[in-house]
Amino acid sequence: GEDVEQSLFLSVREGDSSVINCTYTDSSSTYLYWYKQEPGAGLQLLTYIFSNMDMKQDQRLTVLLNKKDKHLSLRIADTQTGDSAIYFCAENPYSTLTFGKGTMLLVSP
Amino acid sequence: EAGVAQSPRYKIIEKRQSVAFWCNPISGHATLYWYQQILGQGPKLLIQFQNNGVVDDSQLPKDRFSAERLKGVDSTLKIQPAKLEDSAVYLCASRPPTGGSYYEQYFGPGTRLTVT
Repeated sequence: GEDVEQSLFLSVREGDSSVINCTYTDSSSTYLYWYKQEPGAGLQLLTYIFSNMDMKQDQRLTVLLNKKDKHLSLRIADTQTGDSAIYFCAENPYSTLTFGKGTMLLVSP
Repeated sequence: EAGVAQSPRYKIIEKRQSVAFWCNPISGHATLYWYQQILGQGPKLLIQFQNNGVVDDSQLPKDRFSAERLKGVDSTLKIQPAKLEDSAVYLCASRPPTGGSYYEQYFGPGTRLTVT
């Protein structure tokens, strides 16, 4: 099965909060990452969390990490239409990154 | 600071032809990665370089794919001969030697390859 799993699609209205969930498998990952990919573009690092942290907040973004369940989530507050993109969760068991399949976030006005 | 540069942005070839992609990482980034991203999937690592040496090429289909980074800066990825299933976006990424999360990678815009 996949090392990193994500739900494939999320639809929200502008102004609502979005929560994108991810489960990973490798407990040795030092950091866990969230990347954003807009159509036709490369991946942009949004935020990351060190594995010994439970939560990290960065402006509208909140990352929650549950190491026991190997569950990672990204909350986007006050979601805007410009947040529409594919969001990838990634773990780093070594010096490389293992990505999930991505969650497509669609924000409607 | 200039980002990771890749060229070409798009390429269409017929199966069994050859193709090459070029990547120029961020200045000072010793580690360079090539990923393959098939439509609907996350990026999958093909090869990792540290300076001009290969660190990990375990997922590179070596019968048809090759990559080099001769002077430890620019890199090229080649496919010869191409198959239909090679249609994908090929992403290059580089990583700073220290600071931040250390494993943080910066991605280029990618080269979209279509094999017909």
